[in-house]
Amino acid sequence: ETGVTQTPRHLVMGMTNKKSLKCEQHLGHNAMYWYKQSAKKPLELMFVYSLEERVENNSVPSRFSPECPNSSHLFLHLHTLQPEDSALYLCASSPGQGSTGELFFGEGSRLTVL
Amino acid sequence: GQNIDQPTEMTATEGAIVQINCTYQTSGFNGLFWYQQHAGEAPTFLSYNVLDGLEEKGRFSSFLSRSKGYSYLLLKELQMKDSASYLCAIRGAASGGSYIPTFGRGTSLIVHP
Repeated sequence: ETGVTQTPRHLVMGMTNKKSLKCEQHLGHNAMYWYKQSAKKPLELMFVYSLEERVENNSVPSRFSPECPNSSHLFLHLHTLQPEDSALYLCASSPGQGSTGELFFGEGSRLTVL
Repeated sequence: GQNIDQPTEMTATEGAIVQINCTYQTSGFNGLFWYQQHAGEAPTFLSYNVLDGLEEKGRFSSFLSRSKGYSYLLLKELQMKDSASYLCAIRGAASGGSYIPTFGRGTSLIVHP
């Protein structure tokens, strides 16, 4: 238990569906991240929120839409995805400025796009 | 930009010592991390180096040379449970007030009896 909870753990969706991934952290951290993990590839940074403001958008297609309503919750809204978007989506949090930047990861949401 | 290189796969014997290397190029450096990720699980933090030298933590040690753009993770007295992927990550320049880690591809370590 890392203090970062992701739901759902597994998701199968068609290319025309709309779904959302949810992340919640109970650590009092100020920064939250979405990473994509595909087989044989490095973890790819997608979005970073610091104090509820998006500070990084790493050239992610618009079919992925993040939302950070408060410092404890982060969502990733998905619509009209492609089969190549199938991957493990990892949420992470960190204490923010003044810390070493250690990331605390959730267990991930395994997404399959048909 | 940043570039991180580490071996794809390594094998070792239970009880032995293994060294996993990581080389990097970066325009800004604010620390290097090692994470462990077991199959189907979240990555977990192992170590952080920001100054040159060796940091020891139980069976695991991490070394950094900033001038050479080089780090290694040393695992002693290997156990079967150490079979996992080991991720090297660089904390680069700040962006929007945050230092955002960039990850390497990871090294899959297989420990056999």
